[in-house]
Amino acid sequence: GAVVSQHPSWVICKSGTSVKIECRSLDFQATTMFWYRQFPKQSLMLMATSNEGSKATYEQGVEKDKFLINHASLTLSTLTVTSAHPEDSSFYICSARIQPTGELFFGEGSRLTVL
Amino acid sequence: QKEVEQDPGPLSVPEGAIVSLNCTYSNSAFQYFMWYRQYSRKGPELLMYTYSSGNKEDGRFTAQVDKSSKYISLFIRDSQPSDSATYLCAMNNAGNMLTFGGGTRLMVKP
Repeated sequence: GAVVSQHPSWVICKSGTSVKIECRSLDFQATTMFWYRQFPKQSLMLMATSNEGSKATYEQGVEKDKFLINHASLTLSTLTVTSAHPEDSSFYICSARIQPTGELFFGEGSRLTVL
Repeated sequence: QKEVEQDPGPLSVPEGAIVSLNCTYSNSAFQYFMWYRQYSRKGPELLMYTYSSGNKEDGRFTAQVDKSSKYISLFIRDSQPSDSATYLCAMNNAGNMLTFGGGTRLMVKP
């Protein structure tokens, strides 16, 4: 299957700092990538849709100024958690859709712990 | 009512058993159906991808879609302890967002 790489896989930061997570499609181009958040033993929660060359589309209740998304190329989307707080600690996962079949492939996830 | 319903489990089976995982859905416009496996602290891994109704087999895994009943299944034959994970069903229309089930946690005991 297609490969989506996510980095870093694990990050610890101090409260108030910003953290950037990268999502790359390694063997295909992705005009659309998705960012999810997952709390322990819960399902994926879609945060936003990242569109190459345009603004991201955020789901209701997700603060766009806190979770900055940039999709500057067809293979890279980044999620920046700004001024992180302990309640932002979670597992963040990206995915990319392969065309024309529409199959969705996920990255390995990034575990963020804010102290 | 959620668009996609999936029993959260946990489902515990002995090694070698046949496992049946299921999802029901309410949106008749869904055409693409997927099953993902997610190990703890890892991203979901695409297992099966089917379009419209019918069966699809890949090794020990068989996916079934019954659009008339709005019901999809994933069967795992000869289950192994390494199959222990959370299984997520997902579905969508062409070009639309995936809608996920809540996931079923499977435990295969040696």
